[in-house]
Amino acid sequence: AQSVSQHNHHVILSEAASLELGCNYSYGGTVNLFWYVQYPGQHLQLLLKYFSGDPLVKGIKGFEAEFIKSKFSFNLRKPSVQWSDTAEYFCAVNSGAGSYQLTFGKGTKLSVIP
Amino acid sequence: NAGVTQTPKFRVLKTGQSMTLLCAQDMNHEYMYWYRQDPGMGLRLIHYSVGEGTTAKGEVPDGYNVSRLKKQNFLLGLESAAPSQTSVYFCASSYNLGLAGTGETQYFGPGTRLLVL
Repeated sequence: AQSVSQHNHHVILSEAASLELGCNYSYGGTVNLFWYVQYPGQHLQLLLKYFSGDPLVKGIKGFEAEFIKSKFSFNLRKPSVQWSDTAEYFCAVNSGAGSYQLTFGKGTKLSVIP
Repeated sequence: NAGVTQTPKFRVLKTGQSMTLLCAQDMNHEYMYWYRQDPGMGLRLIHYSVGEGTTAKGEVPDGYNVSRLKKQNFLLGLESAAPSQTSVYFCASSYNLGLAGTGETQYFGPGTRLLVL
């Protein structure tokens, strides 16, 4: 079974600091990779996704992620965070032909201090 | 488009009571999913459906039943609620299977917060 690991449970940053959230997955074949964001009290929203092509993916609100196949990683980055980025971030993966299953990491809570 | 909607938003149950959570989507998606979210656990798939009239078990199906009588609706039932089912429940839908390399995205509803006493 595939698994997704998010390295940090809770990250606290000051505004304007740079952000990198780690995500590693276990499946060795072709994958779809996603980052979802959940703002306090809200539902999950898609931040960005990778499925083929350029391994550097740009998403909404200035976020980007890099797919490194050799490291089974899909880390999320933002050069300068804002207070409004305070949220929980989930990495997710599905894999294999006809795969319906989206496997989520346990999430990383980001707190940005003004 | 309303996207994916869920009712109710919040519910308190006593142990042993039953209830049904309703999920509706207006995007003509074939695939629908129910997840539960628990602190420190991420989201775990309970049941899913690949089309009207079909359902299948996910990762944590015990204690739940589902039905997909209409394409746009996916119901999650708790026949006899237990405190371990206290959670936030999210419904999601997608147009197609998440075939690797296609980038098919699941769209999520706002969630139902359930407290079982």
